[in-house]
Amino acid sequence: NAGVTQTPKFQVLKTGQSMTLQCAQDMNHEYMSWYRQDPGMGLRLIHYSVGAGITDQGEVPNGYNVSRSTTEDFPLRLLSAAPSQTSVYFCASSTPPDTQYFGPGTRLTVL
Amino acid sequence: DAKTTQPTSMDCAEGRAANLPCNHSTISGNEYVYWYRQIHSQGPQYIIHGLKNNETNEMASLIITEDRKSSTLILPHATLRDTAVYYCIVRVANTGFQKLVFGTGTRLLVSP
Repeated sequence: NAGVTQTPKFQVLKTGQSMTLQCAQDMNHEYMSWYRQDPGMGLRLIHYSVGAGITDQGEVPNGYNVSRSTTEDFPLRLLSAAPSQTSVYFCASSTPPDTQYFGPGTRLTVL
Repeated sequence: DAKTTQPTSMDCAEGRAANLPCNHSTISGNEYVYWYRQIHSQGPQYIIHGLKNNETNEMASLIITEDRKSSTLILPHATLRDTAVYYCIVRVANTGFQKLVFGTGTRLLVSP
């Protein structure tokens, strides 16, 4: 099992550019989620999904879109990157009763 | 979710047991104690969880007091790679999605 994988590991964008952060899991977990973590801060939930075709907003969804067409994949799209979106992004997957497994993270810098 | 209190930091010598305490005096009967850790620059990592019985897995042991108001995570033979921030979380284990909320955690430094 590879667990939760994320690509890319690092990304630098210019303000206004768009991009997709990829996340995949091979554990057949129902739940997947995206968090961001700013330096010295805790995790903040962006979006989550409780199954293929079902997504919902977390606490900081603005500027991000998600879709879940398969159980395995949960990409996060930045529509128009802003410096405030500079952060480390973690994808997680879980299955009830909700022990979450995290990917290694994508470090995003928006100039 | 019940509030937890952990020491800000702890030190441990390599090869010795690391005992990380957590107070959760307002825990409810249906709330589990979860432990995660975050090694610098890596994603959070699940360690162990329990309800009222002591639990052990390949990473650690979890000792929960009889009144469930506190618990201790034990890393039996700490290594340098165990240097991380350790988070104790109390939450209901149900079938719905719950976002993960970390407190300040305990920064464990394992030294040679």
